[in-house]
Amino acid sequence: GAGVSQTPSNKVTEKGKYVELRCDPISGHTALYWYRQSLGQGPEFLIYFQGTGAADDSGLPNDRFFAVRPEGSVSTLKIQRTERGDSAVYLCASSLKGWETQYFGPGTRLLVL
Amino acid sequence: KQEVTQIPAALSVPEGENLVLNCSFTDSAIYNLQWFRQDPGKGLTSLLLIQSSQREQTSGRLNASLDKSSGRSTLYIAASQPGDSATYLCAVSPHAGNNRKLIWGLGTSLAVNP
Repeated sequence: GAGVSQTPSNKVTEKGKYVELRCDPISGHTALYWYRQSLGQGPEFLIYFQGTGAADDSGLPNDRFFAVRPEGSVSTLKIQRTERGDSAVYLCASSLKGWETQYFGPGTRLLVL
Repeated sequence: KQEVTQIPAALSVPEGENLVLNCSFTDSAIYNLQWFRQDPGKGLTSLLLIQSSQREQTSGRLNASLDKSSGRSTLYIAASQPGDSATYLCAVSPHAGNNRKLIWGLGTSLAVNP
């Protein structure tokens, strides 16, 4: 079966621009997580969805970051007025109900020039 | 605040050696602990998940142990192979609440030389 997919795989943008990153979880998984990984670091939690609702968005660094999951499957992470410090790999993971193994997508590598 | 530490940061061994990677965490109130593998430019692959009530999990040449009270986990890799070369990450899920977000260590970069 298909795993977690993320698009685009790479995104280069200019400082100040708006970007959207998409995550397609494994079919039937109700829990979806976004993480961010900078070079040489472990992933850092951003936001957790259970179904359509953001159950925990405490990891979002500031109000330029926003994520949605309107139908409880695909999720979009939105970053406004991008800054160079936003450059990282953005990872998406899903799990069946939230407490089992998390399955990760390949990530979107974002570079803000 | 939960913090996860992995030692060593990097390890280089000849093929065939048995090796141990260490992970420690500061708050023993965890729901589970997972070991992941990350290959360069690729996503994360879950290797083993240990529930807080368990002591160890095994998969093939991999064995992970958990000592929750002392805040430690080890990943044992038997008869290492060049294909095991990757970064190994340890992550814990806090017990509080319903959010099973993962809190990560920085990883151990492993090189197995033929």
